[in-house]
Amino acid sequence: SAVISQKPSRDICQRGTSLTIQCQVDSQVTMMFWYRQQPGQSLTLIATANQGSEATYESGFVIDKFPISRPNLTFSTLTVSNMSPEDSSIYLCSVREGGYTFGSGTRLTVV
Amino acid sequence: AQTVTQSQPEMSVQEAETVTLSCTYDTSESDYYLFWYKQPPSRQMILVIRQEAYKQQNATENRFSVNFQKAAKSFSLKISDSQLGDAAMYFCAYRGPQGGSEKLVFGKGMKLTVNP
Repeated sequence: SAVISQKPSRDICQRGTSLTIQCQVDSQVTMMFWYRQQPGQSLTLIATANQGSEATYESGFVIDKFPISRPNLTFSTLTVSNMSPEDSSIYLCSVREGGYTFGSGTRLTVV
Repeated sequence: AQTVTQSQPEMSVQEAETVTLSCTYDTSESDYYLFWYKQPPSRQMILVIRQEAYKQQNATENRFSVNFQKAAKSFSLKISDSQLGDAAMYFCAYRGPQGGSEKLVFGKGMKLTVNP
């Protein structure tokens, strides 16, 4: 199974700023998934990132707010832009390998 | 759209006892995959068990087993000999067939408390 290193593990950010979250996988993977978990809630898929193509966003999520990069088969970033307190959540990346392996999550608090 | 329902938001069990977590789902597909994940306070999502819909045999992983009822679209998780370390949020998840969307659809989760 894959091992994912996700960082930062947590951050406290001012509203109106942006945060970039990174996920590094120890093997090459075709797809990477980015999820949001709002406080006390379940996981909701933000987008699916394929290497070499534009990410595919789920309904309710837009590229301007959550731009994603996927420069190679082992790495991806998710940026949360122009943050507001409503963006306070846990953000997780995931890959299909290993029965869907997840990063350890980034706990974001926007103040 | 596929949906996953976990109707019990919380459950508790005594240490060493057995507990069953329920999950139902809605899909028009005949081939799909079902998962149970555990999320302790560390927030790491840990795969507990998975089931392929084409397999009639229920999956088992040590103390964890599932009761997969395809016709009823039910996928419950049984935890035997519960341990304190089993305390966590448990999420049921669905994935569609090969060749289709590979995203996971999650239920709302259930908080399991294990009492010593």
